[in-house]
Amino acid sequence: NAGVTQTPKFRILKIGQSMTLQCTQDMNHNYMYWYRQDPGMGLKLIYYSVGAGITDKGEVPNGYNVSRSTTEDFPLRLELAAPSQTSVYFCASSRRTSDAVEQYFGPGTRLTVT
Amino acid sequence: QQQVKQSPQSLIVQKGGISIINCAYENTAFDYFPWYQQFPGKGPALLIAIRPDVSEKKEGRFTISFNKSAKQFSLHIMDSQPGDSATYFCAASKGQAGTALIFGKGTTLSVSS
Repeated sequence: NAGVTQTPKFRILKIGQSMTLQCTQDMNHNYMYWYRQDPGMGLKLIYYSVGAGITDKGEVPNGYNVSRSTTEDFPLRLELAAPSQTSVYFCASSRRTSDAVEQYFGPGTRLTVT
Repeated sequence: QQQVKQSPQSLIVQKGGISIINCAYENTAFDYFPWYQQFPGKGPALLIAIRPDVSEKKEGRFTISFNKSAKQFSLHIMDSQPGDSATYFCAASKGQAGTALIFGKGTTLSVSS
């Protein structure tokens, strides 16, 4: 049971390039989330999904897109990278029960846009 | 508008001492208050969490104290150890699966030996 895995671990992009951050979970969790973490700012929600085919915006969705075609995968797409998207990105997942709200986080992807 | 305010930003504690981190929230609809621990290069991991129907929860050396009327909660780490050196985040949510966690800005704890 690997939990939540993310690839790549590190990436450097040039302004205007695009890329996809991959996230996979093997816990059969319905709910998945993408957060970004900036120094001294905590984590902020970008997008989330309550199940395959269903996604919704979080607090900071501009410049990002997501899709959820399977329960396991929740990729995050950056179409036109900007320096403001330099950050550490975390994917998380949680179960679908009324009392199970713990979110399990992946190891993160450190992205630099120059 | 910052919905969850965390203090202090950094904390240095002697080995064996008590570490205390405080958080305050604004939204009275929040009913789930977790603390996450993050080591460098790793993702956050749930440390301990509380619901507002209790005023205190203890798990080993870690205790959450919760004051619903003041809209404040705190993390106490007893007998702090060098291995506790990490960044700690408080968070809050409406307590239902699928709802977002609203995080504080984090506290970097350093326990000196």
